[in-house]
Amino acid sequence: SQQGEEDPQALSIQEGENATMNCSYKTSINNLQWYRQNSGRGLVHLILIRSNEREKHSGRLRVTLDTSKKSSSLLITASRAADTASYFCATDRGANSKLTFGKGITLSVRP
Amino acid sequence: DAGVTQSPTHLIKTRGQQVTLRCSPKSGHDTVSWYQQALGQGPQFIFQYYEEEERQRGNFPDRFSGHQFPNYSSELNVNALLLGDSALYLCASSSIQGAANEKLFFGSGTQLSVL
Repeated sequence: SQQGEEDPQALSIQEGENATMNCSYKTSINNLQWYRQNSGRGLVHLILIRSNEREKHSGRLRVTLDTSKKSSSLLITASRAADTASYFCATDRGANSKLTFGKGITLSVRP
Repeated sequence: DAGVTQSPTHLIKTRGQQVTLRCSPKSGHDTVSWYQQALGQGPQFIFQYYEEEERQRGNFPDRFSGHQFPNYSSELNVNALLLGDSALYLCASSSIQGAANEKLFFGSGTQLSVL
């Protein structure tokens, strides 16, 4: 079963704009991660945020976590055509426990 | 430094057959997890191997089995294939010392089609 639910399911923006993607989950978590997948191939880890953190940055990525609302958001600033991909949030419930992925968001960045 | 490698990249089988997929983890990693990704869905956890033992298992039937070798490489076996087993099978590696569920490195996957 899917733990995370991403929103929206699909997003289309112009190059240079910011992209915001949301993830909601159902049960308490230890960590939340975001992954990117290009053209149905392997996933690439983007960023991890722990349950006791509220915000993290990595380059053009900013992730927030609100454990009271059981939700996270991923912001990609100044988007590029190369950011076109599917994005997944994944949660775990403790060290070394399994990762549970959402259904993903398809982001299209138009040149 | 080679990343996670999976073979084969594509596979076509018929219902009832058996299949074996292979995975070599990233250098320095000791934990291998397998995921099934149906079209348009997120990856679903099948199982995880560490020290040649299955440590965790997702909600998959016994038709799905695996193995980890002393060099940390792993195999996924699926018996009595069903049409619904058609999917992209992803292998992910990590290090137990860094917490096996953090920052997984994924292979490019094996696309299995069952006819």
